[in-house]
Amino acid sequence: AQSVAQPEDQVNVAEGNPLTVKCTYSVSGNPYLFWYVQYPNRGLQFLLKYITGDNLVKGSYGFEAEFNKSQTSFHLKKPSALVSDSALYFCAVRDSTGANNLFFGTGTRLTVIP
Amino acid sequence: DGGITQSPKYLFRKEGQNVTLSCEQNLNHDAMYWYRQDPGQGLRLIYYSQIVNDFQKGDIAEGYSVSREKKESFPLTVTSAQKNPTAFYLCASSIEGADTQYFGPGTRLTVL
Repeated sequence: AQSVAQPEDQVNVAEGNPLTVKCTYSVSGNPYLFWYVQYPNRGLQFLLKYITGDNLVKGSYGFEAEFNKSQTSFHLKKPSALVSDSALYFCAVRDSTGANNLFFGTGTRLTVIP
Repeated sequence: DGGITQSPKYLFRKEGQNVTLSCEQNLNHDAMYWYRQDPGQGLRLIYYSQIVNDFQKGDIAEGYSVSREKKESFPLTVTSAQKNPTAFYLCASSIEGADTQYFGPGTRLTVL
């Protein structure tokens, strides 16, 4: 069975500091991993994905994520947080053998403090 | 959100009524999806369709129905059998065989 865990409901970080939003996953085959961001009353916006290749994936708005197979993790990072990064972040996974539907984590609310 | 539209943005329904949520995409994507979002629960898959005239149940299909008569359109009907329909509904689409899903702006349904 596929599943995603986002262990932190809320992450607070000061503007200009580095940020990390954690994600661990469980799949039966090779993982396809995604990060999305959601602003209030809006749909999800795609940030980045890992399919294969380099473990460090760079995405939109200066975000990046590192795939760690041994730890089954795919943490989202940014070197310097902006107040405008405050939003709800979702990690999602599908395996390489199943249908195209994604399994989502429960989300992490990031607040960047000015 | 570009390329995928959902209407209406807000919808109110009385108990016992069916209601249909619209989802249209102009991305020429083969696959389309409906998710339900509740606070603290992330997104849960209701139905998905990988091709016209075909669709599959997701994890929480009970009380919902869909159709896929055209590639661009994937309407979701919330029936009176859905016991707790108040939620934020998100539609998404993707290229068949690719992996990135792109989402519409969502419809917030409230049952009065």
